[in-house]
Amino acid sequence: QSVLTQPPSVSGAPGQRVTISCTGNSSNIGAGNDVHWYQQLPGAAPKVLIYGNNNRPSGVPDRFSGSKSGTSASLAISGLQAADEADYYCQSYGNNLGDLYVFGTGTRVTVL
Amino acid sequence: EVQLVESGGGLVQPGGSLRLSCAASGFAFTSYWMHWVRQAPGKGPVWVSRINIDGRITTYAGFVKGRFTISRDNAKDTLYLQINGLRVEDTAVYYCARAMSGYYMDVWGKGTTVTVSS
Repeated sequence: QSVLTQPPSVSGAPGQRVTISCTGNSSNIGAGNDVHWYQQLPGAAPKVLIYGNNNRPSGVPDRFSGSKSGTSASLAISGLQAADEADYYCQSYGNNLGDLYVFGTGTRVTVL
Repeated sequence: EVQLVESGGGLVQPGGSLRLSCAASGFAFTSYWMHWVRQAPGKGPVWVSRINIDGRITTYAGFVKGRFTISRDNAKDTLYLQINGLRVEDTAVYYCARAMSGYYMDVWGKGTTVTVSS
């Protein structure tokens, strides 16, 4: 049921920068809807990391940044830390009544 | 502290029913739309349903097909999800989440686990 496509995994050494892509279509991201990003640590609930394409909630380090262009979006993590090992999901709003809130397939970030 | 606490999950046989609850605290529950989101083992989150502030407007994901009913009791600051005709594929952690105006979820509970098995 995931209609937003993400790479299954990305990895990087501590201190490096990694990016995660999120590809949608003209019914969701391409329709002008915002993209949001969630971090899910092992055994925990998702936590909003980026909202409205590039806004960080209070308490989220500025090492995390988001961008959106056309039918895609990206999450960048700079200065990678061991604590960043988690699953990351993008989410947007869809224009189909039965699929209003669409999530990405998820990306596992591994710190080498 | 803003908090959402789900309860009501468990092991159920196929065809059974469950009523999930989500107790809200630390914020003005009556001012927010609310969601249910589920996550099957090893899979990503999937949106299930949303409800407006007074409970009169409800929306469901296409796969629900009339089996789920979302509701809320604003006097008790509690959100509910009634699930009937449970199927094996409904096995998941069910989260309640607070809706934000930008069409995202800013606060999530820890979830309650529903397992459907004979």
